Amino acid sequence: DIQMTQSPSILSASVGDRVTIACRASQSIDRWLAWYQQKPGKAPKLLVYRASYLQSGVPSRFSGSGSVTEFTLTISSLQPDDVATYYCQNYYGNSYTFGQGTKLDIK
Amino acid sequence: VQLVESGGGVVQPGRSLRLSCAASGFTFSNYGIHWVRQAPGKGLEWVALISYDGSHEYYADSVKGRFTFSRDNSKNTLYLQMNSLRPEDTAVYYCAKDAELGKSAYYFDYWGQGTLVTVSS
Repeated sequence: DIQMTQSPSILSASVGDRVTIACRASQSIDRWLAWYQQKPGKAPKLLVYRASYLQSGVPSRFSGSGSVTEFTLTISSLQPDDVATYYCQNYYGNSYTFGQGTKLDIK
Repeated sequence: VQLVESGGGVVQPGRSLRLSCAASGFTFSNYGIHWVRQAPGKGLEWVALISYDGSHEYYADSVKGRFTFSRDNSKNTLYLQMNSLRPEDTAVYYCAKDAELGKSAYYFDYWGQGTLVTVSS
């Protein structure tokens, strides 16, 4: 299986900050990567697919980039509503693994 | 789009349970559907896919041979039959819609609210 490793595991930032979450794949997955946001007690929500395509309805402060094995999710200006855990997921070949998650909160 | 899971509960190890997922708000027969689970306080794990027409099913190694996924396109409903349950199967089980029409892209644009399965004696 392809392993997905996110960093950091926990992130604390101030409102208005630019926030970046990294995700690394154990082997090349081209651009077959999605990002999800999960708020406590809720189902995950798709934010980004194909590494950089923003899902319809997702605020433009979210963006994704990267390819091969290195990917990032960026929030350009952190808002209180962005407090959540973020997961990357690869969907390459026969492997559909998630990263371990990055918990984001407000300082 | 709405996905509503049901059927969770507490079950003893080795016993069986059947989950259901009722879908609405989209052309059900055009999309694959997945189950993704989340153990308490843990991350997400893909469990199974059934293709849009029900002709193919794929399972994670952790559940292969124990879980069976089926769908009834006339009722817009899916079923996950879980046999020989183990304590490590304890999780919230989400059904999730595949994001791409007529294929299995393996990323998920809509999720249900989840149903909790607890395997314990």
